[in-house]
Amino acid sequence: DQQVKQNSPSLSVQEGRISILNCDYTNSMFDYFLWYKKYPAEGPTFLISISSIKDKNEDGRFTVFLNKSAKHLSLHIVPSQPGDSAVYFCAASDILTGGGNKLTFGTGTQLKVEL
Amino acid sequence: NAGVMQNPRHLVRRRGQEARLRCSPMKGHSHVYWYRQLPEEGLKFMVYLQKENIIDESGMPKERFSAEFPKEGPSILRIQQVVRGDSAAYFCASSLLTPGQGRDSPLHFGNGTRLTVT
Repeated sequence: DQQVKQNSPSLSVQEGRISILNCDYTNSMFDYFLWYKKYPAEGPTFLISISSIKDKNEDGRFTVFLNKSAKHLSLHIVPSQPGDSAVYFCAASDILTGGGNKLTFGTGTQLKVEL
Repeated sequence: NAGVMQNPRHLVRRRGQEARLRCSPMKGHSHVYWYRQLPEEGLKFMVYLQKENIIDESGMPKERFSAEFPKEGPSILRIQQVVRGDSAAYFCASSLLTPGQGRDSPLHFGNGTRLTVT
């Protein structure tokens, strides 16, 4: 039962354009969502998070949008840079039953930013 | 300014042998999590430990897997009598705040141990 889904295994974007990575979830108890970036042979690195009481959080070039009614979140990267090429994981947690750092991850989207 | 340190980076074991994976959390962090990533899948939670205590092991397979985080030394994930299906990347992560105390302490991950069972 995949509670966090990233339906696009890969995404290719030109440098300078916007990258939009999507994530859907099924567990209505999730109240905290995160995005991690992962390079090959390294561990995931935290990028940005959003609480369910918000619908948008911004940090520099990265913005996360949350649509609770649709159980959907997205990560926008603008402008995209070649160094952004990596696998992006969406993750979610439920602080009441699972604890804040017991994360459920999606399967990841490989982003490739081309020159 | 060491981050989460995991060793070994690569571990090859024959079926039936034991695998020991070590994790030293970031300095000052007393909460350790183990996650496993099977090929073509996302990371899956295994266990959450604090010093000398297992807090949540709901993601651990019922047999052959155990974890500890002693008062002194690194956290250890032990897999006994390994099988080919145990081949995966095992990631350790640490955090500063107790879950529920705040959401400003996301997990810091190590670079993982890649276990190959032949």
